[in-house]
Amino acid sequence: AQSVTQPDIHITVSEGASLELRCNYSYGATPYLFWYVQSPGQGLQLLLKYFSGDTLVQGIKGFEAEFKRSQSSFNLRKPSVHWSDAAEYFCAVGSLTTDSWGKLQFGAGTQVVVTP
Amino acid sequence: DAGVIQSPRHEVTEMGQEVTLRCKPISGHNSLFWYRQTMMRGLELLIYFNNNVPIDDSGMPEDRFSAKMPNASFSTLKIQPSEPRDSAVYFCASSLVGLAGGPLLYNEQFFGPGTRLTVL
Repeated sequence: AQSVTQPDIHITVSEGASLELRCNYSYGATPYLFWYVQSPGQGLQLLLKYFSGDTLVQGIKGFEAEFKRSQSSFNLRKPSVHWSDAAEYFCAVGSLTTDSWGKLQFGAGTQVVVTP
Repeated sequence: DAGVIQSPRHEVTEMGQEVTLRCKPISGHNSLFWYRQTMMRGLELLIYFNNNVPIDDSGMPEDRFSAKMPNASFSTLKIQPSEPRDSAVYFCASSLVGLAGGPLLYNEQFFGPGTRLTVL
């Protein structure tokens, strides 16, 4: 069965510093990969997705992610964080099996705290 | 587009009462997902509909939980009777997905704002 691992439960970063959130997946084929963000009291919002093609994907709010097949990773990055980036971030992989096509397997999430 | 609409946004009820959560997916989407989010268990998929038909309900915790999708624009998640351990935020999400046998489509899920349920 496929799985998604976000190794960091909690990250604290200074405003203006760079941010990288890690995501590893286990799946034989090229998966469909997603990053979502959840602000306090809100639903999940899509930041970016990877289906195929260029392995560096640009998303909203200045985020990007790079798919690395050799490392089974899909890490999220932002060069300079803003206080408004404080939120929880979820990596997800889309199921490719016939009986569960369309389902997303979510990681446990990484809580990002931004300090002044 | 108004996005995925959920109601109510907050629900406080007493143990043993019936609770009904409602969801209106984005127009044109053919798949609907119900999730539950808690601190202890994170984000869990409860049930998944495609073209109004339940595809996978393996995440429904027990018989007290039931979900219906009578048409493409409406779904309900019902808990009867409710228990304090059901307290959580319940999210509905929708997507446009193609299954095997037809055009294979894969798209992101769009989430509603959630319903915060508190069972006393």
